[in-house]
Amino acid sequence: ETGVTQTPRHLVMGMTNKKSLKCEQHLGHNAMYWYKQSAKKPLELMFVYSLEERVENNSVPSRFSPECPNSSHLFLHLHTLQPEDSALYLCASSQVSGSRYGYTFGSGTRLTVV
Amino acid sequence: AQSVTQLGSHVSVSEGALVLLRCNYSSSVPPYLFWYVQYPNQGLQLLLKYTSAATLVKGINGFEAEFKKSETSFHLTKPSAHMSDAAEYFCAVSPTINAGGTSYGKLTFGQGTILTVHP
Repeated sequence: ETGVTQTPRHLVMGMTNKKSLKCEQHLGHNAMYWYKQSAKKPLELMFVYSLEERVENNSVPSRFSPECPNSSHLFLHLHTLQPEDSALYLCASSQVSGSRYGYTFGSGTRLTVV
Repeated sequence: AQSVTQLGSHVSVSEGALVLLRCNYSSSVPPYLFWYVQYPNQGLQLLLKYTSAATLVKGINGFEAEFKKSETSFHLTKPSAHMSDAAEYFCAVSPTINAGGTSYGKLTFGQGTILTVHP
């Protein structure tokens, strides 16, 4: 499988649940990103991993916990979320040195917190 | 520092009409520029990119964009809109060198423009 794959595509969770979002890329990229996209709001960059090291964490609440075990996989662990965390969560990947290539995005996980 | 401004959060056109989505950028170094399209409940898909070669860039689905340095613009156009073009479009800028100590090519996105196509 090529490209960036995100699972699950849809997730409904209660505020006391713990769940994880998964992102996988087979493009040989070595930078990976999590974005949050809420209705009527701009894309929000949450986390950046470059060469498996977290290099950016944009004031994201601790109820979101990223993990990058290798350059092909990225996880977003979720616990005790709030209804305002309902959104489309997008994963992307790129070459570390390749700003000319842009990012490749996955199809996203639609998260609903009830 | 870099930023992107997309003029008009919503654009509505008739099928067959010209599509023009506006993007202006600000960058302290020569930029790379991108347009992405997002269909409902999907991720962002690259439409086209400018990487300092030809200033007129052709992309997928009949879209093209022209880099105008003097106007700091990278507007997206399509001569004839199709119903399937209805989506949200994002302009993005990236520095040609990784400034500010970043170890990756950081993209900065505009706020998006929703394109509606009427029959």
